[in-house]
Amino acid sequence: EPEVTQTPSHQVTQMGQEVILRCVPISNHLYFYWYRQILGQKVEFLVSFYNNEISEKSEIFDDQFSVERPDGSNFTLKIRSTKLEDSAMYFCATPVSGVSGANVLTFGAGSRLTVL
Amino acid sequence: DAKTTQPPSMDCAEGRAANLPCNHSTISGNEYVYWYRQIHSQGPQYIIHGLKNNETNEMASLIITEDRKSSTLILPHATLRDTAVYYCIVRYGANNLFFGTGTRLTVIP
Repeated sequence: EPEVTQTPSHQVTQMGQEVILRCVPISNHLYFYWYRQILGQKVEFLVSFYNNEISEKSEIFDDQFSVERPDGSNFTLKIRSTKLEDSAMYFCATPVSGVSGANVLTFGAGSRLTVL
Repeated sequence: DAKTTQPPSMDCAEGRAANLPCNHSTISGNEYVYWYRQIHSQGPQYIIHGLKNNETNEMASLIITEDRKSSTLILPHATLRDTAVYYCIVRYGANNLFFGTGTRLTVIP
């Protein structure tokens, strides 16, 4: 069973529409992270979220993006008005339990977003 | 975070050891070296990490030089399923990681 489950696996949307991507960690983590990967490019950090607050964000994470923990168990990434350049794989990550001395992340399988 | 330098690509024969180098000459004393890999479009997968000592787990070995300015990830018996992009990341503290372009390892039958 994966430590992190992401839904949807693939979403196609029209430019300007709102999109919500979901992430459900198997353990009750306080930390979670969102990354994205545009096709053929490197994995880019978007935002980290700790205890219901954003702890760090990149310059990519502008006002069109938001993160929430709506019900205490799952985490969401919302894109308010999608643009063509938001087409990418979006990965959620949480710390691995039981790893001492450093912080190691486990990633979900990703949500592929296609903006038309 | 210290910058890392990796070769863009490498080939390895199936069944042989794959040795993936990483230079991190500006690493500071409290920064860990992490290795992740990404198979096709899947999420990055943690492989191993270390601080000073060499490390081994069921997936790989990590050899860190005494001055900590470089490291080598060793996959002892590469299989076709090890074909992936391998990322060497140096990071201290907070969990978020910053990925470079990595090394694309191709295991050849």
